[in-house]
Amino acid sequence: AQSVTQLDSQVPVFEEAPVELRCNYSSSVSVYLFWYVQYPNQGLQLLLKYLSGSTLVKGINGFEAEFNKSQTSFHLRKPSVHISDTAEYFCAVLSSGGSYIPTFGRGTSLIVHP
Amino acid sequence: GAVVSQHPSRVICKSGTSVKIECRSLDFQATTMFWYRQFPKKSLMLMATSNEGSKATYEQGVEKDKFLINHASLTLSTLTVTSAHPEDSSFYICSASRTSGADTQYFGPGTRLTVL
Repeated sequence: AQSVTQLDSQVPVFEEAPVELRCNYSSSVSVYLFWYVQYPNQGLQLLLKYLSGSTLVKGINGFEAEFNKSQTSFHLRKPSVHISDTAEYFCAVLSSGGSYIPTFGRGTSLIVHP
Repeated sequence: GAVVSQHPSRVICKSGTSVKIECRSLDFQATTMFWYRQFPKKSLMLMATSNEGSKATYEQGVEKDKFLINHASLTLSTLTVTSAHPEDSSFYICSASRTSGADTQYFGPGTRLTVL
């Protein structure tokens, strides 16, 4: 079985400050990892994904994430946030083999203050 | 590329009526489509997975007779909420993948259903 834990339900931060949104997963097999962003009353948009290769993954809007197998983590980071980054962020894991149905975390609400 | 649309974006209906929500992949063929339900401040709850031409696979606790899913073509899936009740009010989101394997899901913009 696979699971995802997003440790912070809400992360407040000031504009231009750095931010890290945490994501830990559990799975008994190899995984694929995703971060999605959801703006109010909209669907989810893919920020970045890790399938294989380099453990540091760069995505859209200046976000990046690092896959750490030993710590089973895939934390999302941005060096300087903008007001427009205020949104809900979801981490998702998909295990290789099996049904290929992803599991989503409960989401982290990023709130950027001026 | 990889755009998914949903229609309608918002619907209000009376209790007891049925509502159909369409999910379309506009610029790619979607072998697999997923339907999610999202409650306020909550994560996504997967309702069912459908492969083109096959019956949908429902998650535990989801009533297949109430939430009818049809994936008639590689670009269209529909979710029909039959005999809707106020507790069915929610945000419904579909997503689509090109393959049935380990692939990226592309999400639609969601449909806000309000049952009076």
